[in-house]
Amino acid sequence: KAGVTQTPRYLIKTRGQQVTLSCSPISGHRSVSWYQQTPGQGLQFLFEYFSETQRNKGNFPGRFSGRQFSNSRSEMNVSTLELGDSALYLCASSFGGGNQPQHFGDGTRLSIL
Amino acid sequence: AQKVTQAQTEISVVEKEDVTLDCVYETRDTTYYLFWYKQPPSGELVFLIRRNSFDEQNEISGRYSWNFQKSTSSFNFTITASQVVDSAVYFCALSEGSSGTYKYIFGTGTRLKVLA
Repeated sequence: KAGVTQTPRYLIKTRGQQVTLSCSPISGHRSVSWYQQTPGQGLQFLFEYFSETQRNKGNFPGRFSGRQFSNSRSEMNVSTLELGDSALYLCASSFGGGNQPQHFGDGTRLSIL
Repeated sequence: AQKVTQAQTEISVVEKEDVTLDCVYETRDTTYYLFWYKQPPSGELVFLIRRNSFDEQNEISGRYSWNFQKSTSSFNFTITASQVVDSAVYFCALSEGSSGTYKYIFGTGTRLKVLA
């Protein structure tokens, strides 16, 4: 069974640019969550999508957005990049309930110059 | 509000020592779920265990064991006879409820270094 796939693995951008990250969940999983991981803050929840609808959202500015497609694949977009957006962005999929363990991808490491 | 505290930022032990990673949580819900994940140097978080709020039985899986105590809001993780391969960052997480309004809250993680 294929795991969660995130692309690209690494990205280098400059301030003010925008970026789109992609996540393909495990087959059959309908929930996709996104997290930002930084050394100082740990894993911070960005948002969760379930059946193409954003179901939960963390405390991030509107520059962070996402969407989910009918095949459960998800994209996350960050506009007007700031230096502080440098982080590892993790995607996790699950069947969808709060009692379900999440299965994580390897992440996309985003560096802002 | 939900909160997960892992007070131990980093722990170093010598191989074969036992080590306990602490996790303290806060929640107002009576139905919630607790999880432990392992993040090895390669980066991918790996699910280790789930516990629901109605099941306080401790669990043992090989060298791993978990102690869930609602009275102290703790869900501690013990590795017996640690090995170098156990070196990783370990995260405790909390999820309230089983409906669509849940959120996962992770602790800040404990970095475990097992020295040969």
